[in-house]
Amino acid sequence: DTGVSQDPRHKITKRGQNVTFRCDPISEHNRLYWYRQTLGQGPEFLTYFQNEAQLEKSRLLSDRFSAERPKGSFSTLEIQRTEQGDSAMYLCASRRGAEETQYFGPGTRLLVL
Amino acid sequence: AQSVSQHNHHVILSEAASLELGCNYSYGGTVNLFWYVQYPGQHLQLLLKYFSGDPLVKGIKGFEAEFIKSKFSFNLRKPSVQWSDTAEYFCAVNAIGRDDKIIFGKGTRLHILP
Repeated sequence: DTGVSQDPRHKITKRGQNVTFRCDPISEHNRLYWYRQTLGQGPEFLTYFQNEAQLEKSRLLSDRFSAERPKGSFSTLEIQRTEQGDSAMYLCASRRGAEETQYFGPGTRLLVL
Repeated sequence: AQSVSQHNHHVILSEAASLELGCNYSYGGTVNLFWYVQYPGQHLQLLLKYFSGDPLVKGIKGFEAEFIKSKFSFNLRKPSVQWSDTAEYFCAVNAIGRDDKIIFGKGTRLHILP
């Protein structure tokens, strides 16, 4: 158990619906990351937070995606108007500092029908 | 931009064989390097990491990796694999002083025959 938790673990939705995922990092980890992983690929960086500030967003993150970390603790990732291409595993990771190890959660597997 | 290249997408070995998985990265500055492993049905976990110092790093379960700066490489090795090493292995790099994100390779799927 790495200590990073994600909810839900699985989500099936219909195309066009909105979905929201939650990530709870290891406590005292001020850096939080979101990745997306599709079959046959490594995790692809989406965005990251240092405390409550969103410091970088990948070009993979279209306007339909939004992430928040309002109090510098848990984070949410929302996908609006889901598309079949959004089907993937969404991974969250956290670490305490720039020179520290990044720990991953179990992921949320999204299937868009 | 940073990138990570893993040489083998799928490797099949018999138990007790030696393993070497190749990893090269592209970034001219200082890096932190990682190998993560994902066992079937489990989440990503850290196998080993290089931040500084001795370029030969040892990780869990008998794995080691060697950082060769001149070759931009961080190959993973294990002298004698076990069936339980069947998993997917990801090499990753973090460019120090550039940004805070970690870039992953596409992974190598390792299958050990009993």
